[in-house]
Amino acid sequence: GAVVSQHPSRVICKSGTSVKIECRSLDFQATTMFWYRQFPKKSLMLMATSNEGSKATYEQGVEKDKFLINHASLTLSTLTVTSAHPEDSSFYICSATGLAGVLEQYFGPGTRLTVT
Amino acid sequence: SQQGEEDPQALSIQEGENATMNCSYKTSINNLQWYRQNSGRGLVHLILIRSNEREKHSGRLRVTLDTSKKSSSLLITASRAADTASYFCATDGGGADGLTFGKGTHLIIQP
Repeated sequence: GAVVSQHPSRVICKSGTSVKIECRSLDFQATTMFWYRQFPKKSLMLMATSNEGSKATYEQGVEKDKFLINHASLTLSTLTVTSAHPEDSSFYICSATGLAGVLEQYFGPGTRLTVT
Repeated sequence: SQQGEEDPQALSIQEGENATMNCSYKTSINNLQWYRQNSGRGLVHLILIRSNEREKHSGRLRVTLDTSKKSSSLLITASRAADTASYFCATDGGGADGLTFGKGTHLIIQP
């Protein structure tokens, strides 16, 4: 089946620094990628929808200047957490869907971000 | 990786009928969650059931969990055309690795 990877799987950074998380579709072209955040013991929260070649659409309450999303190619989307703070510590998951008409969605393994 | 398995992969029913989707998983869990995704949109959380719960209701949704069989079901009663979407189950093992998703069931409600 289709595979989506995320890098890094875990990252620890200091408060005030920026962290970039990559989401790659390894064997298919992902026209749309979604970024989610999961708080401990909570459900996923959709942060933004990223379409290749266009600006991401952010959900209400998600700061676009803090969570920069770039979907530069059909196989790569990046999420950059800028000026990270401890409250940004979370589990970030991306998912990808293929060409129009493909119904399946493929999830990455997630990235654990810890801001100290 | 997606360890959960939903079945059926696709389901088409008439409006007003009940829709049942199943999810099986392989490892022990802390909780199991059901999500819905409309075409082209992100996931929307529907309901969470903890490992010590057997049944949970939310509006027209009813979720059951059988940890001995490592399975869960999502029942949507009195279906509506607007329920047409893909439904995913996700398990939380309680570790540091977040959720594990199934491949989803695509539900079509015929008006």
